[in-house]
Amino acid sequence: DAGITQSPRYKITETGRQVTLMCHQTWSHSYMFWYRQDLGHGLRLIYYSAAADITDKGEVPDGYVVSRSKTENFPLTLESATRSQTSVYFCASQGFQETQYFGPGTRLLVL
Amino acid sequence: AQSVTQLDSQVPVFEEAPVELRCNYSSSVSVYLFWYVQYPNQGLQLLLKYLSGSTLVKGINGFEAEFNKSQTSFHLRKPSVHISDTAEYFCAVSDLPLRSGNTPLVFGKGTRLSVIA
Repeated sequence: DAGITQSPRYKITETGRQVTLMCHQTWSHSYMFWYRQDLGHGLRLIYYSAAADITDKGEVPDGYVVSRSKTENFPLTLESATRSQTSVYFCASQGFQETQYFGPGTRLLVL
Repeated sequence: AQSVTQLDSQVPVFEEAPVELRCNYSSSVSVYLFWYVQYPNQGLQLLLKYLSGSTLVKGINGFEAEFNKSQTSFHLRKPSVHISDTAEYFCAVSDLPLRSGNTPLVFGKGTRLSVIA
């Protein structure tokens, strides 16, 4: 199906473990984004990518790593998870007239 | 850099009553403005957007917003709300078309609309 998907939808992990959140879009949009959503903070941009192999930091990049080897995929890795990274993570891609399209989110709990 | 202020974090309203959700942004230069809606346990979806032209923009589900350049505002309105409008609403602003080196879309912190039967 066309659209933007995220996996897993739910993840529980332990402090110090590496976790990778996947994002896949079928529109061939150039721009893709990772946000985290926390109560009281709204949406905060972690990283974004303008194209394959081009990535930029957002507002809260510390503790996260991204890669973009293919246009359709934009994985987000927490190299050593911390409790403060417990959050809901949203991936988005940007299409015509700057409109962003969001995935369903991944709920991450770090114990 | 742009910033967005959503003046109310929570707005309770009775069913069939009108509602206004307020949004102000920091710069009066050319901007693109958006409202997104997030239903419980879902991602955000576009409600409406202003790029240019008429300052009154109509969106899905009977919502509309008015761009006011002098007041740097983009308030969202609906004349009669329904229970199903209960959701979180986000205002967002972009300075320019997104190009390498420009700042991406900036979101407000959201307004939780609760419609009461």
